[in-house]
Formats: sequence, structure tokens, C-alpha cells
Amino acid sequence: SAVISQKPSRDICQRGTSLTIQCQVDSQVTMMFWYRQQPGQSLTLIATANQGSEATYESGFVIDKFPISRPNLTFSTLTVSNLSPEDSSIYLCSARGQTNTGELFFGEGSRLTVL
Amino acid sequence: EDQVTQSPEALRLQEGESSSLNCSYTVSGLRGLFWYRQDPGKGPEFLFTLYSAGEEKEKERLKATLTKKESFLHITAPKPEDSATYLCAVRQEAGSGYALNFGKGTSLLVTP
Repeated sequence: SAVISQKPSRDICQRGTSLTIQCQVDSQVTMMFWYRQQPGQSLTLIATANQGSEATYESGFVIDKFPISRPNLTFSTLTVSNLSPEDSSIYLCSARGQTNTGELFFGEGSRLTVL
Repeated sequence: EDQVTQSPEALRLQEGESSSLNCSYTVSGLRGLFWYRQDPGKGPEFLFTLYSAGEEKEKERLKATLTKKESFLHITAPKPEDSATYLCAVRQEAGSGYALNFGKGTSLLVTP
């Protein structure tokens, strides 16, 4: 299984600022994803982080608000820009495992509170 | 329309009281149904993958089963340490490649 480290684990930010979340995987993985988990809601896919190219965003999520980088096969960042209280959530990084079953492994999450 | 619906939203059991959690799905071209456990403040932890109707997987007190429309997570003689939120997710033919679509989860509390 892949071990995924995220930082920061939590942060409190002011409205209008930005927060960048880092995700490090302990092995090379082909696929990485960013999810958002709001209270009482499902995990919602934000985007697929593509190595060396632009991320693929899901409906309702745009690059200007959630820019993503993936410079190599073990590292990705998610930035949440121009923060508003509605962005308060847990952001989770995940990666596809190397096994044939193709399960996703998750980091511990980054809890963002916007004041 | 939700693709993955989990029930009940919350479940409280006495230690040793067996029960089942349900996950119904409406996707076409299912490429896998996944169960995860999530503890407070933690990321989801992978439990099982099921691919075809009739398939079953077991791990300790947990057994997952799959039909063409739903999956069950059976918990036999649960212990307090089984308390967590259990998430169901599906991967389908169309959509975001290998990404998973999640239900809202069932919050399980097992009391001594």
C-alpha cells in the first residue's frame, strides 16, 4: 500500500487569501487525485492530478480556484485560492495503488477553516 | 441523482450485536465497488474491493457482499473498536478514469 503524507494537517486562513496543500507519496504512482470532504457530505472529486500536464477538473471545479501541480510521480500540490468561508472543508489527497484491485489510498487530510 | 446511497446514515449497536450496512448504486458499467473505514480526523482506510455479483470478501468481523444493485457490509459480533464511519464507493466505465464516487457513509457506534 502507498503511504501518503499531507501538510498542513490543519490551518485557519483569512478570507481572500490562498492556501497550498502538499501531498507526498512514498512510492511512484501513476494516478493522484484531490478530494473535498464537507461535513455530512460525500467525498467529492475535485480533480485528477496529471504528471507533467494540466490537471483534469470535475464539473463545478475550475483551475483558477483550485490550481494543481504535479511535477513528478510522487508529489502534488493543491491550492485553494481567494478563500471564502464556503471553502472550509477537509481536503484529501489520494493515489491509486499498484495492485490489480486498483484501490485508492488516502492521506490524513488537511482541515481548512476560513474566517 | 445520487449514484451511491448508503443506509442507514447512523447506526448504534451493542457490543456483540450483529448488523448490516447497505450501499445501493445506480451506475452502469461497474468497474468495482469499494468499502472504506474512516476514523475521526483520519483519511479513509481501504477495506474491500468487489467486482461481480455474488462476490464476497471477509476481514475479521467484516464481510462484504455484492449484488447487481447493492452491496452489504455485514458486521458480526462488533466490538467498540469497530466504531467508525464506513464509506462505500464505486468506479464506473465512464467518468473520471480510476477515480471513485463515494456515498455519504454510515456512522457506526458500538457501545460496550
